[in-house]
Amino acid sequence: AQSVAQPEDQVNVAEGNPLTVKCTYSVSGNPYLFWYVQYPNRGLQFLLKYITGDNLVKGSYGFEAEFNKSQTSFHLKKPSALVSDSALYFCAVRRPNNAGNMLTFGGGTRLMVKP
Amino acid sequence: EAQVTQNPRYLITVTGKKLTVTCSQNMNHEYMSWYRQDPGLGLRQIYYSMNVEVTDKGDVPEGYKVSRKEKRNFPLILESPSPNQTSLYFCASRQAGGPHEQYFGPGTRLTVT
Repeated sequence: AQSVAQPEDQVNVAEGNPLTVKCTYSVSGNPYLFWYVQYPNRGLQFLLKYITGDNLVKGSYGFEAEFNKSQTSFHLKKPSALVSDSALYFCAVRRPNNAGNMLTFGGGTRLMVKP
Repeated sequence: EAQVTQNPRYLITVTGKKLTVTCSQNMNHEYMSWYRQDPGLGLRQIYYSMNVEVTDKGDVPEGYKVSRKEKRNFPLILESPSPNQTSLYFCASRQAGGPHEQYFGPGTRLTVT
């Protein structure tokens, strides 16, 4: 079975400060890892993914994520937060050979960026 | 414009009254899936489809049915809705093979009284 944990229900950060949203996972084999963002009254939007190779993955809107195999983590980061980054963020995992069972999601972390 | 559409966006119904939530994608994707989103639980997969006439259960299939008669459409059917099916529902699609990301619809907020 595969699982994803997002240990923080909410992260608060001041505009201009760096932000980190944490994600850890449990899956057999090498995973595909994803981050999605959900703005109010909207569906989920893809931010970035890790497949293989460089552990630092760059995505949309200036976000990046660092894959750490030994810690089974895939934390989302941004050097300088914007108020418009305030949203709900989901980490997700999929096993490469589990094509049908599409994704397992974490519980979500609400990011609040204050001016 | 590439998109996944869902209808209706909002629905209030009563226990036991059959309903269907439609989902359609215009990207010729093979894979489609339904999720429900509940606070603190993230998104949980209800059913998925790998192609026309190929469907399978996800993590929380009880009380739901799906069909995939056409590649673009993947309706979610609640034969006898119950209050514990009150939730926010998302349809998603992606290309077959490889680590392709999913595209999500805007969501359907369902309330069963």
